Parts: sequence; C-alpha cells; structure tokens
Amino acid sequence: GNSVTQMEGPVTLSEEAFLTINCTYTATGYPSLFWYVQYPGEGLQLLLKATKADDKGSNKGFEATYRKETTSFHLEKGSVQVSDSAVYFCALGLSGNTPLVFGKGTRLSVIA
Amino acid sequence: EAQVTQNPRYLITVTGKKLTVTCSQNMNHEYMSWYRQDPGLGLRQIYYSMNVEVTDKGDVPEGYKVSRKEKRNFPLILESPSPNQTSLYFCASSPRPGGGYNEQFFGPGTRLTVL
Repeated sequence: GNSVTQMEGPVTLSEEAFLTINCTYTATGYPSLFWYVQYPGEGLQLLLKATKADDKGSNKGFEATYRKETTSFHLEKGSVQVSDSAVYFCALGLSGNTPLVFGKGTRLSVIA
Repeated sequence: EAQVTQNPRYLITVTGKKLTVTCSQNMNHEYMSWYRQDPGLGLRQIYYSMNVEVTDKGDVPEGYKVSRKEKRNFPLILESPSPNQTSLYFCASSPRPGGGYNEQFFGPGTRLTVL
C-alpha cells in the first residue's frame, strides 16, 4: 500500500540552526510529494511540492528534493527562525480518487 | 479572500446528541474532503466528494455522514457521537477531482469533545 514515514518529533532547535526533517514513502505508481505546515491553532497549508523525480520544491527558505532512488523527500532549511515553529507533514498524492496520504507529522520548536 | 471556513471552531457535546459541523469554500472547488487529526495518527480521511451529489468513503467513515447538495458546502454530520470521535477535524477543498495530485486548501479546524 501507500504510506509515508517521517521522523518523529519533537525537534527542538536554536534560532539559525540547520533543519532536516526526514520523509520516506512507499507508493504504487508515481506520486506527487508535498510538505504541509500547520502553525499553532491553524489548518494545514501547503509549504512546497514536487511532482516528479529530481524536482526540487522550495518556499520560504525551505527546500525538498524528490529522490526516486531513495524514495525520499527530506525537508531542509538552512537557518530556522522562531516563526518556523509548527508541525510539518509530509504527504504523497496519486491520481484518480485516492486521497492524500499523510505522515504523522513532526513538531518543530525553535527557541531564541 | 479565498478560504475554507468551518463552524463551529470548538464544540463540547455529550454522547448521542446529533451534531453538524459546517464547511464552506468560496473558490468554486469541485473536490472537498473531511479529515480527522489525532495524536500519533496524523490525518485520516473520513469522507470526500468529487462534485455535487457525489460522495464516497475515506479511510475512517464509521459514525459519520456527509452531504454535498451545493458545490460550496460539505457538512459533516455525527448522528450519534461517541467519545472516540473526540478529535480535531479539518475540511479541505481542491480545484479538481483527483485530490491526490492537486494542492488541498484546509479550513482552520474544529476541535470536538464528546463527553
């Protein structure tokens, strides 16, 4: 079946530290890959996406590259800020009626 | 402003008392969906709708009903809520069917507690 595994949190970093949140997937077919972010008290919002192998998604200083050979889509940011504190979800999507498949989320806390 | 709205945002109720959580989107999206979010389990899809009058079960539909009489609205109905339905609920919409490939826009969430 289709599944997403992401590193468990919480992750606590100091401001300006480097961030990596690992995400690997299993899918039948060729999925699109997404990172969603959930700020405290809010719904999820799309952070970035990649639709095919070797694509790099980027937004707000975050990046993730679609690696088909390792079935991974790790999220990275070179210098985190306190405002990046949130829960991050990796997800995959396939065509047709199949719903998005989400990982369990990784809570990030950035301290000043 | 393009958005998905949900009401209420917070609800405390008792076992067996029917309730409805409303969801509305103003983006003319065809695809709408309900999720529940539970600690350690991530998001799980309850029901989805490809278009008006077309609904289908997601991964965890037991105890829930939905309807899609208008394109913009997709209410979630709990006919007889039970404590195991205590959760954080999200409505989402997407421009086209095939929800998996297309970005989904999420509402702010409804925190439901069933006593």
